[in-house]
Amino acid sequence: GQNIDQPTEMTATEGAIVQINCTYQTSGFNGLFWYQQHAGEAPTFLSYNVLDGLEEKGRFSSFLSRSKGYSYLLLKELQMKDSASYLCAVSASGGSYIPTFGRGTSLIVHP
Amino acid sequence: EPEVTQTPSHQVTQMGQEVILRCVPISNHLYFYWYRQILGQKVEFLVSFYNNEISEKSEIFDDQFSVERPDGSNFTLKIRSTKLEDSAMYFCASSEAPGVNTEAFFGQGTRLTVV
Repeated sequence: GQNIDQPTEMTATEGAIVQINCTYQTSGFNGLFWYQQHAGEAPTFLSYNVLDGLEEKGRFSSFLSRSKGYSYLLLKELQMKDSASYLCAVSASGGSYIPTFGRGTSLIVHP
Repeated sequence: EPEVTQTPSHQVTQMGQEVILRCVPISNHLYFYWYRQILGQKVEFLVSFYNNEISEKSEIFDDQFSVERPDGSNFTLKIRSTKLEDSAMYFCASSEAPGVNTEAFFGQGTRLTVV
């Protein structure tokens, strides 16, 4: 089975930087996804990490440490529209590439 | 930009009734999924479908649920006899193929309310 842990809620100020952590325990590991989900909407893909290290994509970066079972999503220059849930999802090895989601972190960006 | 489309966007049904939720995955995608999200809870995997058969399913996907690809474009989720606890947002997703570096694209969801 898989166990994925993220903080339930975070708040940050517009223009700031925020780091959302995710720890996971899984019997096999293929890769880790980050998705963004606005209230009442579908999850939208942000990033996918397979190898250790940092991957940068515009204002968003994602980091993975496979040995520590740890990832973070870094959001820079926060905007009000970044207020959303951020979902960490793990895909396991052994033939299953299906993302299994954590409970998500609700990020509130205030002026 | 290609997208996954789901119909209807909202469905209200009486307990015990059958419902069919419809999805049109992205046309060149081969791997299809259904997820559900009960209000305020996490996105939960139900079933995956590849090469015209179920490849994996979760404990949630019991005998009340079935999936079908009736033609070359549609992918459906049927709930035979709905229960109150089936009320949730149901998301369909698709990806190009099983494997690394293949993100799942999600549809906008069908909000199912069982009364």
